Amino acid sequence: EVQLVESGGGLVQPGGSLRLSCAASGFIFSSNSMTWVRQAPGKGLEWVSSISRSSDTINYADSVTGRFTISRDNAKNTLYLQMNSLRAEDTAIYYCARHHDSSTWNLWEYWGQGTLVTVSS
Amino acid sequence: DIVMTQSPDSLAVSLGERATINCKSSQSVLYSSNNKNYLAWYQQKPGQPPKLLIYWASTRESGVPDRFSGSGSGTDFTLTISSLQAEDVALYYCHQYYNTPPTFGPGTKLEI
Repeated sequence: EVQLVESGGGLVQPGGSLRLSCAASGFIFSSNSMTWVRQAPGKGLEWVSSISRSSDTINYADSVTGRFTISRDNAKNTLYLQMNSLRAEDTAIYYCARHHDSSTWNLWEYWGQGTLVTVSS
Repeated sequence: DIVMTQSPDSLAVSLGERATINCKSSQSVLYSSNNKNYLAWYQQKPGQPPKLLIYWASTRESGVPDRFSGSGSGTDFTLTISSLQAEDVALYYCHQYYNTPPTFGPGTKLEI
């Protein structure tokens, strides 16, 4: 069974940093590209960043470029999102998602339960 | 960026009746080289992550009940639930993966 478990969320002050993790199991992690998607409280879905299987392709939303860094450790079956210079508008549930088995870029088949990031003083 | 719009914003349908949700993209998401529409539909229930229902505009994800169907091409798409069940109450989002950044519609709230 595919499982994605996010962790690392919490309350942080504006300008602060957090590192999110997504532990993957139930599939060969190195075979799938991965993505972070966020959802502000009561709002819609917003793509944040994607990373290919071998980390050779990485994309970011304009809203996080220069502040967030996506990475993965295929040996540890873990996806990361380093978030720096956090702003109030970054407050959201952050989901990690696995790309579809068809290898289609940015089509997401499995999602974690999410981790809440709150940016507030 | 491709802008996705959905209509209606919310919809109330009786149990057993048909529900129809529309999605429109600001530019075509049909890739001519493979004749595929890069359009997916997700269902999100309160407190849960999104669940993939439909991709390639009309391909049902494994395990999704056949009362869910997708149609359309180019810029105009429809999600249809043929006979609404109580467990279908949720938010529904369309999503284009034609190019980067991938974008979502604002969502349609489906109620009984």
